[in-house]
Amino acid sequence: AQSVTQPDIHITVSEGASLELRCNYSYGATPYLFWYVQSPGQGLQLLLKYFSGDTLVQGIKGFEAEFKRSQSSFNLRKPSVHWSDAAEYFCAGVNAGNMLTFGGGTRLMVKP
Amino acid sequence: NAGVTQTPKFRVLKTGQSMTLLCAQDMNHEYMYWYRQDPGMGLRLIHYSVGEGTTAKGEVPDGYNVSRLKKQNFLLGLESAAPSQTSVYFCASSRQGEAFFGQGTRLTVV
Repeated sequence: AQSVTQPDIHITVSEGASLELRCNYSYGATPYLFWYVQSPGQGLQLLLKYFSGDTLVQGIKGFEAEFKRSQSSFNLRKPSVHWSDAAEYFCAGVNAGNMLTFGGGTRLMVKP
Repeated sequence: NAGVTQTPKFRVLKTGQSMTLLCAQDMNHEYMYWYRQDPGMGLRLIHYSVGEGTTAKGEVPDGYNVSRLKKQNFLLGLESAAPSQTSVYFCASSRQGEAFFGQGTRLTVV
């Protein structure tokens, strides 16, 4: 089945440390890929998206993600985490049938 | 520009009751989606629509029905609610895969 998976359910980092959240996809062709963030009690906000072209994409709030076809990955990174980044992060993908599906999410906790 | 609006925001149902959740978008998007979010399960796609008058099943469609009679509206129906349908429901509309979400509906079935 075409899908995205997020191997890490929880991640804890110290404020100021770097962050990498993992996402793997399984689609036959190159999919559209996204990262969303959800703060407690809120809806989802788009951080960044990859359609084609440059494999390193920049997003809002200082986030970036790199598409690696050889590893079927689209990992999210941030060089220095702020306490306000604590939230749940979702990787998502769209297949040829325009079905948008999500990974299980990674909950990020930030230690002071 | 309201974006995606879901009504109601909260609802408590008794087992066996029916209800309809309404999603409205004002961005003229073709694609609309209904998800449910449960702790530890992420967002699971219930049904989706690629245009007015069309609907398709997602990952967890059982117990739900949908209709897309107008392009701007996507309705999610529960004909006979069950406690397993207690969840937070999110609607989204999208253009080129970029989804815009409503604020969610918290549904409790007792």
